[in-house]
Amino acid sequence: QSVLTQPPSASGTPGQRVTISCSGSSFNIGSNYVYWYQQLPGAAPKPLIYRDDQRPSGVPDRFSGSKSGTSASLAISGLRSEDEGDYYCAAWDDSLRGYVFGTGTKVTVL
Amino acid sequence: EVQVVESGGGWVQPGGSLRLSCAAPDFTFSSYSLTWVRQAPGKGLEWLSYISSSSTTRYYTNSVKGRFTISRDNAKNSLYLQMNSLRAEDTAVYYCVRDRDSSGYYDYWGQGTLVTVSS
Repeated sequence: QSVLTQPPSASGTPGQRVTISCSGSSFNIGSNYVYWYQQLPGAAPKPLIYRDDQRPSGVPDRFSGSKSGTSASLAISGLRSEDEGDYYCAAWDDSLRGYVFGTGTKVTVL
Repeated sequence: EVQVVESGGGWVQPGGSLRLSCAAPDFTFSSYSLTWVRQAPGKGLEWLSYISSSSTTRYYTNSVKGRFTISRDNAKNSLYLQMNSLRAEDTAVYYCVRDRDSSGYYDYWGQGTLVTVSS
């Protein structure tokens, strides 16, 4: 059972904005960086956001991350069909002395 | 493009052992911390273990402590995961991952190797 909670699903039509939340605690999100990973069908995960709100080279600026207190969010603007997949938040947990992934959110483009 | 390639997966009976390997010939291997992450069929990602660049620091998730051992050989650009006392719930795809900044920025992932624990 993950200590980072995400909604199981999110959806939108092409061009819409979708937001995914990630709820944690003072031991993880509240005191450490948040990361976001995208896993497209049949593929390995890839990083989307690092250190709360930074985009790796090559990631479109349609993807953005934010954090406030013990929660974080990933926003996808201008939703595209190729964005369909699973999205995971992650952070180091000081209490567990380990890295934790969120429960994952499946994004569907209607 | 950095290549990370896992091997060693397969079928094993409950209680058995397997040793996973990860080769990463395309970057300065000894400069980076590395991690194993797994994903059970149809499930989410689960962080398993971390090893620092010089092997001085290692962490494990509770479910594998005492059963799995992470190690690396920087001279061979290789990472390992020795898995003992395997259980059905260890069935998963196992990913070898580079930790770019030693704080959880997992920038390169292998394609994974499947481990099936079944009688």
